[in-house]
Amino acid sequence: GNSVTQMEGPVTLSEEAFLTINCTYTATGYPSLFWYVQYPGEGLQLLLKATKADDKGSNKGFEATYRKETTSFHLEKGSVQVSDSAVYFCALNGGSNYKLTFGKGTLLTVNP
Amino acid sequence: GAGVSQSPRYKVAKRGQDVALRCDPISGHVSLFWYQQALGQGPEFLTYFQNEAQLDKSGLPSDRFFAERPEGSVSTLKIQRTQQEDSAVYLCASSLVSALRGETQYFGPGTRLLVL
Repeated sequence: GNSVTQMEGPVTLSEEAFLTINCTYTATGYPSLFWYVQYPGEGLQLLLKATKADDKGSNKGFEATYRKETTSFHLEKGSVQVSDSAVYFCALNGGSNYKLTFGKGTLLTVNP
Repeated sequence: GAGVSQSPRYKVAKRGQDVALRCDPISGHVSLFWYQQALGQGPEFLTYFQNEAQLDKSGLPSDRFFAERPEGSVSTLKIQRTQQEDSAVYLCASSLVSALRGETQYFGPGTRLLVL
């Protein structure tokens, strides 16, 4: 079956630091990959997605590249802000399986 | 436009009580999903509707869980005889078309259920 493994947190960074949150997956077929973000007190929001190998998803300064050879979709941002503090979830949706399969989430705290 | 809404936002139930959780998807969205999120975990799939048809209920943890979407819009997740292990956040999501591999699902704020 499908599964997602992401870096366990919590991750604490200073403002303007570089961020990487690792995500690897196991899937049958050819999945689409997603990063969702959950800000405090709010619902899950799509941050970015990629639907085929070598695609790069990007949004709000965040980027992730779909690497089929390493089955990875690592999230990166060059300079984090306090407002980026949230829980980040990696997820996949593959083949005829329309369900999202999520990782456990990574709590990011950015200090001023 | 309005996003996915859920009510109530918080629900406290005594063990053995029945609860009903409501989801209003984005208008016109064909697909509707329910997920369960335990504390410190990622959401896990419960069930999927395409319009009013429940096409997959493989994630429902027991026969105490029941979901419906009778007119293809609003959905209700019902839990009968609640148990403490049912305590979780219940998330509803909708997507515009019939479920596709790369289709974006839009999530509601969730209902936090606490069973005492």
